[in-house]
Amino acid sequence: GQNIDQPTEMTATEGAIVQINCTYQTSGFNGLFWYQQHAGEAPTFLSYNVLDGLEEKGRFSSFLSRSKGYSYLLLKELQMKDSASYLCAVVDSNYQLIWGAGTKLIIKP
Amino acid sequence: GAVVSQHPSRVICKSGTSVKIECRSLDFQATTMFWYRQFPKQSLMLMATSNEGSKATYEQGVEKDKFLINHASLTLSTLTVTSAHPEDSSFYICSARGEMDTEAFFGQGTRLTVV
Repeated sequence: GQNIDQPTEMTATEGAIVQINCTYQTSGFNGLFWYQQHAGEAPTFLSYNVLDGLEEKGRFSSFLSRSKGYSYLLLKELQMKDSASYLCAVVDSNYQLIWGAGTKLIIKP
Repeated sequence: GAVVSQHPSRVICKSGTSVKIECRSLDFQATTMFWYRQFPKQSLMLMATSNEGSKATYEQGVEKDKFLINHASLTLSTLTVTSAHPEDSSFYICSARGEMDTEAFFGQGTRLTVV
């Protein structure tokens, strides 16, 4: 079966750095997305990785290792507004999105 | 990024009535649209996938006669919740994808409350 694993919840301090991991086992791979979702709102796009390596975009970076079936989202200089759920999603061989359950990130002052 | 508009954002309806949710791609042609349901503190659950001009493909456990999906044009898909019950209360989200795109763009979501 297809499976996406990410931690259920993480806590970090304002101004610090946090890394949210995602491991996947899917039938084929055509890319991995990270989305941010605030409570009661639709997800918003953060990043897309299809090749191995690190993609940096401002305070957010995303890393992919296809051989390990592993990705992480790195958030730097955390702000209170970063408190949200972060969803990892993989595009499988049929170009369907397989979603992780999301990681709830709590930022403390 | 591309814009997907979902309407209404919130709706309250009486048990037994039907509710229609619209999802429009405003600046691109959405060959594929996805409808998701999300319960509190849970991830998105794919309900169905629809391609323009053809019948939707429903995920296992989703009643196609209850959740009617229409994707009659490249810019509009609708989800109709028929004979709604309180257990249908949820957050419904659509996303749309163009023919050459891998990324799907999300609508704003619809909070449905059935009383």
